[in-house]
Amino acid sequence: QKEVEQNSGPLSVPEGAIASLNCTYSDRGSQSFFWYRQYSGKSPELIMFIYSNGDKEDGRFTAQLNKASQYVSLLIRDSQPSDSATYLCAVNDRGSTLGRLYFGRGTQLTVWP
Amino acid sequence: DAGVIQSPRHEVTEMGQEVTLRCKPISGHDYLFWYRQTMMRGLELLIYFNNNVPIDDSGMPEDRFSAKMPNASFSTLKIQPSEPRDSAVYFCASSLPVSPSIHEQFFGPGTRLTVL
Repeated sequence: QKEVEQNSGPLSVPEGAIASLNCTYSDRGSQSFFWYRQYSGKSPELIMFIYSNGDKEDGRFTAQLNKASQYVSLLIRDSQPSDSATYLCAVNDRGSTLGRLYFGRGTQLTVWP
Repeated sequence: DAGVIQSPRHEVTEMGQEVTLRCKPISGHDYLFWYRQTMMRGLELLIYFNNNVPIDDSGMPEDRFSAKMPNASFSTLKIQPSEPRDSAVYFCASSLPVSPSIHEQFFGPGTRLTVL
């Protein structure tokens, strides 16, 4: 069973600050990494994915990947109260079961005005 | 595209009754996943299909659970008989490879099941 670990939080940041969400994974062979946002009572929504070491930016979101350390993070710049949600990290399986994702338990983020 | 469609959105039933959850994946997606989410256990994969064929059902908790995908546009998850501990939100998701190593997975709105 592949492990995906996240701090459960809650993580609380003031509006306008940078929120940093972290995730570690156990399978060194994992190739692609996903961040989902889940508002309370809603379904997970894909924010972005990353597969190369380094940073990937999409608007206020930056995903960072370090495969040597088996670590992926999500930075949210200029955090807004509307960013308050649970953020799920997911890692793909490999080989013939490549389509499967392993999810962490999620980090709850609260952005206060 | 309408996204992944699930029905019903809410289901309240009594212990021992049969429950059937339905899912229509995004057109053209070749993977379909059934998940269950609870506060205690988080998001759990129950079973998934590739091109309508079940690939891994090791997450199905018991024989009371069964899933089918008779065609590319429809899947069902059945619980018979249902028990109170089955109460959870059940999500269906579908995906399509955007590259050989990347599958973007999209979730439906979920079915909130309550078994009394």
